[in-house]
Amino acid sequence: SQQGEEDPQALSIQEGENATMNCSYKTSINNLQWYRQNSGRGLVHLILIRSNEREKHSGRLRVTLDTSKKSSSLLITASRAADTASYFCATGARDYKLSFGAGTTVTVRA
Amino acid sequence: GAVVSQHPSRVICKSGTSVKIECRSLDFQATTMFWYRQFPKQSLMLMATSNEGSKATYEQGVEKDKFLINHASLTLSTLTVTSAHPEDSSFYICSAGGWGATYEQYFGPGTRLTVT
Repeated sequence: SQQGEEDPQALSIQEGENATMNCSYKTSINNLQWYRQNSGRGLVHLILIRSNEREKHSGRLRVTLDTSKKSSSLLITASRAADTASYFCATGARDYKLSFGAGTTVTVRA
Repeated sequence: GAVVSQHPSRVICKSGTSVKIECRSLDFQATTMFWYRQFPKQSLMLMATSNEGSKATYEQGVEKDKFLINHASLTLSTLTVTSAHPEDSSFYICSAGGWGATYEQYFGPGTRLTVT
C-alpha cells in the first residue's frame, strides 16, 4: 500500500537553481529512500537515510529526515537539465518491503 | 554492480493469452525479488515478494492465480500474467534487494504490457 505523500506533485525550475521536494508518511519506518525515474524507465536508487539519522549528503543531494513529524525532504542543488525526472520517496520496513509515495515530477529548464 | 535486467521491454498480447516477464540479476545473486506495477503518471504498487525456492508472498488485493510468480534460481524470477485483459495493461517493474543490511533495491528497466 502507498504510505508516502509527496509535495509538490510537479516542480519546474531553471538550470542552476535548487529543487526541494517533501515526503510525508504515516507509520514507523526502518529507513527512507529516494529514487529517480526517467520517463518509461526503471528506478535508480539515490540515497537511503536510516530512521536514526537526521541528514545525509550525496554529491548534489541532501536528504533530511524528521521522524517526529514523519517527514523527509530531498534537496537537489545546482540543478541540471539531466535532473529532469520523477522523484519518489519510499519508506522501508525491516522486511525489506518498500512503500512508495506518489512522486514529484521535476522539470529543469535550460 | 547490482544490475537487474527485464525481458521483454515491451509486449503486446491479445485478451485471453498469457504473458511471461523475466527479471534477472546479472552480477549478483538475489534471494529476494519484488514485482511492482505502475500506471501512467502514478506511483509504484508492490504486487508481490518473490523468494528463491519458496512461494511468493502477494500483497492484499493481488490475485495470485492471475499473476504467477516463480523464483527458480538465485538470478531469475518470472511473472506470468495469465488470461490477460486490457485492464492488465501496465508497466511492470521488478527489483532485487533485501539481504543482510542492504535495504536499497535495484530495479530493472521495466516491461510495458499492452493487452488488446
